[in-house]
Amino acid sequence: AQSVAQPEDQVNVAEGNPLTVKCTYSVSGNPYLFWYVQYPNRGLQFLLKYITGDNLVKGSYGFEAEFNKSQTSFHLKKPSALVSDSALYFCAVRGDTGRRALTFGSGTRLQVQP
Amino acid sequence: ETGVTQSPTHLIKTRGQQVTLRCSSQSGHNTVSWYQQALGQGPQFIFQYYREEENGRGNFPPRFSGLQFPNYSSELNVNALELDDSALYLCASSPILAGGGETQYFGPGTRLLVL
Repeated sequence: AQSVAQPEDQVNVAEGNPLTVKCTYSVSGNPYLFWYVQYPNRGLQFLLKYITGDNLVKGSYGFEAEFNKSQTSFHLKKPSALVSDSALYFCAVRGDTGRRALTFGSGTRLQVQP
Repeated sequence: ETGVTQSPTHLIKTRGQQVTLRCSSQSGHNTVSWYQQALGQGPQFIFQYYREEENGRGNFPPRFSGLQFPNYSSELNVNALELDDSALYLCASSPILAGGGETQYFGPGTRLLVL
């Protein structure tokens, strides 16, 4: 079975400061890892993914994520937060074998204060 | 915008009724996945369709069923609605890549309320 943990229900950060949203995972085989963002009353918007290769992945809107195999983590980061980054962020995982379904974490609400 | 569309946007039904939700996939994508997102939770996988065949199913009862059509659009049908079926239903489309690293692109969702 595969699972994702997002240990923080909410992350608060001041505009202009760096932000980190944490994610750890459990999966059989090699992981495929994804970050999505959800704005109110909207579907999920893809930010970035790790499949293989460089552990630092760059995505949309200045976001990046670092894959750490030994710590089974895939934390989302941004050097300088914007008020418009305030939203709900989901980490998702699937293994490189078997069912091609994504398993999502419970989400982390990011609040960026002006 | 992803190019994945869903209809209707909102729906209100009563317990015991049946509902059909629709999804049009992004151009060039042959796979559609359906997810249920209850309030305050992450999306839960319902099932996936690839080339009109079910290609994996999550922990949902048989009253959740689906179809995929030759143009790769899809329907989710739920029979005998229960109050707990109230949720945002998300459709995602993707290609199938040999390496398996395809991205699923989500539509805006259908919000279902069961009274």
